[in-house]
Amino acid sequence: KNEVEQSPQNLTAQEGEFITINCSYSVGISALHWLQQHPGGGIVSLFMLSSGKKKHGRLIATINIQEKHSSLHITASHPRDSAVYICAAREGAQKLVFGQGTRLTINP
Amino acid sequence: GAGVSQSPSNKVTEKGKDVELRCDPISGHTALYWYRQSLGQGLEFLIYFQGNSAPDKSGLPSDRFSAERTGGSVSTLTIQRTQQEDSAVYLCASSLVPPRTNYGYTFGSGTRLTVV
Repeated sequence: KNEVEQSPQNLTAQEGEFITINCSYSVGISALHWLQQHPGGGIVSLFMLSSGKKKHGRLIATINIQEKHSSLHITASHPRDSAVYICAAREGAQKLVFGQGTRLTINP
Repeated sequence: GAGVSQSPSNKVTEKGKDVELRCDPISGHTALYWYRQSLGQGLEFLIYFQGNSAPDKSGLPSDRFSAERTGGSVSTLTIQRTQQEDSAVYLCASSLVPPRTNYGYTFGSGTRLTVV
């Protein structure tokens, strides 16, 4: 069993839909990261959170430390949101343990 | 620099040859990380440098892999006697210690290594 599990692995939705991607982890963490990888391969760090909730534009990330669960939400989804979203748990000072990613496709 | 710079962006090499991949982190970022992403696979931690501390090499898959970071800045990942299973995208990232702001890490665009 992977230490960081994401669901779903693939998600296709229509433009405008509310999107939720889930991440569960079994390791003790100092922080939880959400990353975005576009088809060209570049990775952008979206959020780093250790408690509660963070919001950036149409993106919202939440974490429940007790349940070892985090969610990434996208409101009013747009085709440009199509990408692979990766959850990563930071163990200790720096090491990241990655989920397998969720491939999101938003159709116009 | 403004971002994390990696070179080359693409590298094709023959099996058995040595390769060097370079990463130039954001100025002032004391932490530097190497990851790799094999085709269809998730990201895999390789090595982590922080300041003058001994690097965390726990993710290096074999003794054919080594990395150094000179002067606390540029890092080179060296793969000796390359094998076809080494084919992957090698990603470098840097951060402050501990990672700060909303984002944490800045990633380079990666080096796509193909071993033929």
